Amino acid sequence: GESVGLHLPTLSVQEGDNSIINCAYSNSASDYFIWYKQESGKGPQFIIDIRSNMDKRQGQRVTVLLNKTVKHLSLQIAATQPGDSAVYFCAENIGASGTYKYIFGTGTRLKVLA
Amino acid sequence: AAGVIQSPRHLIKEKRETATLKCYPIPRHDTVYWYQQGPGQDPQFLISFYEKMQSDKGSIPDRFSAQQFSDYHSELNMSSLELGDSALYFCASSVQEYNSPLHFGNGTRLTVT
Repeated sequence: GESVGLHLPTLSVQEGDNSIINCAYSNSASDYFIWYKQESGKGPQFIIDIRSNMDKRQGQRVTVLLNKTVKHLSLQIAATQPGDSAVYFCAENIGASGTYKYIFGTGTRLKVLA
Repeated sequence: AAGVIQSPRHLIKEKRETATLKCYPIPRHDTVYWYQQGPGQDPQFLISFYEKMQSDKGSIPDRFSAQQFSDYHSELNMSSLELGDSALYFCASSVQEYNSPLHFGNGTRLTVT
């Protein structure tokens, strides 16, 4: 099938190393952020989320950091594995109060080298 | 666990034809979103529905329309198809509550020839 992310920024990481994927978001009023993983031919898969009243949240092998001052979000993947190879997107909720409108940032292709 | 179901998975249409894409949300999810993803692009928000009413609108062309039915499934209707409409179309569902993540289906790949 057609690959997602043919022209996206690429991050190449050795298997076992840590990966850091960055995202700049657009709206200073956004209050909720999500990281998604997208493999070829599949829909985006939820990884981890974070609310704007937090600056760090940890999951299994993943950590999301939020810097509201510079509108920056990062996803850290510990001990990167071949199965982590995919395109990663951040999404922000820019909906006005009571509405939900999620906008995706530019994805990053993660390549895990054996 | 049940996921978002989209049909068909693949669709080939000619220019100026119409297409209908279907989405069945996760049970008890009341909100549906439609996204369009071109090659090498991030998903672009088209439209969303909550409790069968349109709740937000993005970059959806006037040639496209969508609705959510009483059983919460949604359909995206596309008319006068153009070559540029070729893309992956994703549906996502969520619960309409504060900070609830979207769960995506595996998309419909539309090819317009």
